[in-house]
Amino acid sequence: DAGITQSPRHKVTETGTPVTLRCHQTENHRYMYWYRQDPGHGLRLIHYSYGVKDTDKGEVSDGYSVSRSKTEDFLLTLESATSSQTSVYFCAITQDYRPDTQYFGPGTRLTVL
Amino acid sequence: AQTVTQSQPEMSVQEAETVTLSCTYDTSENNYYLFWYKQPPSRQMILVIRQEAYKQQNATENRFSVNFQKAAKSFSLKISDSQLGDTAMYFCAFISNYGGATNKLIFGTGTLLAVQP
Repeated sequence: DAGITQSPRHKVTETGTPVTLRCHQTENHRYMYWYRQDPGHGLRLIHYSYGVKDTDKGEVSDGYSVSRSKTEDFLLTLESATSSQTSVYFCAITQDYRPDTQYFGPGTRLTVL
Repeated sequence: AQTVTQSQPEMSVQEAETVTLSCTYDTSENNYYLFWYKQPPSRQMILVIRQEAYKQQNATENRFSVNFQKAAKSFSLKISDSQLGDTAMYFCAFISNYGGATNKLIFGTGTLLAVQP
């Protein structure tokens, strides 16, 4: 258990509405990541953070923004949700003494109608 | 660019038997890490096993072991004494050793394993 929680766990929303997903960790890890999981694609990196207010883009960042104002929280925002953003979203962390290994949260299933 | 390929979309095994899941990858780097993650129906992504590329010894974790063939760029997962709780999607993943935690974890598309009673 890497001490990661995600909220909400499930969300249904409509096209064009803003959505924010939250990842919360309890162990002060420096690095946090957001992935999306789609059939046939495995997991793909959206954004990651290497410290408070320090973030960078991943492979599929278009349409997403992130913020990290506190070490423990990493927020993923869909400014105007589209049906193509229907997916399962995972947050992950690395432990500082082992930066190569990522541990995942329980996931959020997002449906955009 | 690095890629990870899992060529078996689905597999089935009888309880108590042994099964091997295949994974190949492509990279020009010499130092990297490889992983197998398990995703049961609960959707949680669980780290099963980790292999450091500079170590020749194959990693093992209880009933799970790997066959790491660096020259062939092959990284298969063997599950011994299969149990019903092993039913899950299994993902192979790669990460470079250069750049630390800013590196991207690259996943294969997964193998769905069903353990039959």
